[in-house]
Amino acid sequence: DGGITQSPKYLFRKEGQNVTLSCEQNLNHDAMYWYRQDPGQGLRLIYYSQIVNDFQKGDIAEGYSVSREKKESFPLTVTSAQKNPTAFYLCASTSPGLAGVYEQYFGPGTRLTVT
Amino acid sequence: LAKTTQPISMDSYEGQEVNITCSHNNIATNDYITWYQQFPSQGPRFIIQGYKTKVTNEVASLFIPADRKSSTLSLPRVSLSDTAVYYCLVGDFVQKDYKLSFGAGTTVTVRA
Repeated sequence: DGGITQSPKYLFRKEGQNVTLSCEQNLNHDAMYWYRQDPGQGLRLIYYSQIVNDFQKGDIAEGYSVSREKKESFPLTVTSAQKNPTAFYLCASTSPGLAGVYEQYFGPGTRLTVT
Repeated sequence: LAKTTQPISMDSYEGQEVNITCSHNNIATNDYITWYQQFPSQGPRFIIQGYKTKVTNEVASLFIPADRKSSTLSLPRVSLSDTAVYYCLVGDFVQKDYKLSFGAGTTVTVRA
């Protein structure tokens, strides 16, 4: 089945540690995204990548880093510089579909808790 | 990037039609309008996308007036399972600017 996988589903870390969230897609999509969602809030864009070896900051990139070495993979590192890392993290990808419709496909998310 | 404004919440009853309006006053010529649905602890799911006039699929309709400064998502005959957060996005795909930012969304609560 084609789709996006994120691992792990739940992640616990101590404050001051860096942590890397995995995102893999087998949809052959060009663009990939990372969003953060806090309780009762909408999604906020962290980073996005339109093509391999290229990525751009989103609206809240401070304290995060990404890489795009392969088309199917877009890992997100939450660094110790991120002041409030506890959140639900969602990865997505997109490419043109039928009749030029661009649909973002989302992974199941990773819930990160930092104490 | 066109900013979107939606109502924070809406209540409805089973079997009714729900209409959610999104304002996007500075929408650009190449921008498309897309709506997503999100259930708790899940990623959003694509509902419908349009550029102008009316688009209809098996789950919803999207109405876009001529000036394109707003759009209305219409959910016919909602059920309890339609309780979710609905997001309106405006994005430029023609020029391949892939930055897609979500707003706060509209929480729709359907009651029996």
